Amino acid sequence: GEDVEQSLFLSVREGDSSVINCTYTDSSSTYLYWYKQEPGAGLQLLTYIFSNMDMKQDQRLTVLLNKKDKHLSLRIADTQTGDSAIYFCAEMLFNAGNMLTFGGGTRLMVKP
Amino acid sequence: NAGVTQTPKFQVLKTGQSMTLQCAQDMNHEYMSWYRQDPGMGLRLIHYSVGAGITDQGEVPNGYNVSRSTTEDFPLRLLSAAPSQTSVYFCASKEVAPGYGYTFGSGTRLTVV
Repeated sequence: GEDVEQSLFLSVREGDSSVINCTYTDSSSTYLYWYKQEPGAGLQLLTYIFSNMDMKQDQRLTVLLNKKDKHLSLRIADTQTGDSAIYFCAEMLFNAGNMLTFGGGTRLMVKP
Repeated sequence: NAGVTQTPKFQVLKTGQSMTLQCAQDMNHEYMSWYRQDPGMGLRLIHYSVGAGITDQGEVPNGYNVSRSTTEDFPLRLLSAAPSQTSVYFCASKEVAPGYGYTFGSGTRLTVV
C-alpha cells in the first residue's frame, strides 16, 4: 500500500535552516513532490525529485532522497517568516494512474 | 491567468441536499483529480480522470460522482450531503508528460449542517 508520513510540527528561528522529513512505503514511487500551503490557500508546488536521483537543489531548497530507507527531506536555507506554512510531501505512482498520495503535512513556524 | 478555477469558494449545505462543485482548467491538461482535505489527514483522493470520457475512483469515492465530458471541466457532485462531507475540496490538473507536478485550485470550503 501507499503510506506517506511526516512529523506534524517544526519550529525554527529566522535565518536558520529548516529540515522537513518524510517517509514513504511504496518502492514503485516515480516522482516525489514537495508542496507548500499557506493559510486559506491551495497547494503550491515547490519542487520535485525523480526516484533515480539522490539530491536536487533549487535556490534555497535542497531535496534529499534516500531510496534504501524510503526517506525524503526538504531543507530550506536561511528560513524567513514568509516560509511559515504547511509543507506536504507526496509520491506519484505509475500504477495508480499517476495520482498523488500525500503525507499529513508538517506545519513550519518561523520565529523572528 | 492560466490555472485551475474552482467555484464556489464557500458553500453551506443542509444534510440531504445535493450540489456540484465546479472545476475548470485552461492549460489543456489531460489529468484531473479531486481531493478532500481534513485536519491532520493531509489530502485524500476522491476521483480522478486521465482524459475526457475516462474517470476512476480514488481512496474515498463514496457519496461523490464525477464526469469528464470535456478536457477543461471536471465537476464533482455530492449526491446527498452528509456532515462527514464537511471539508475543503481541491481540484488539480497535470499534463501527461512525466515530471510535471499537479497544479491546484484555491479550494472550496464546504460545510454540511
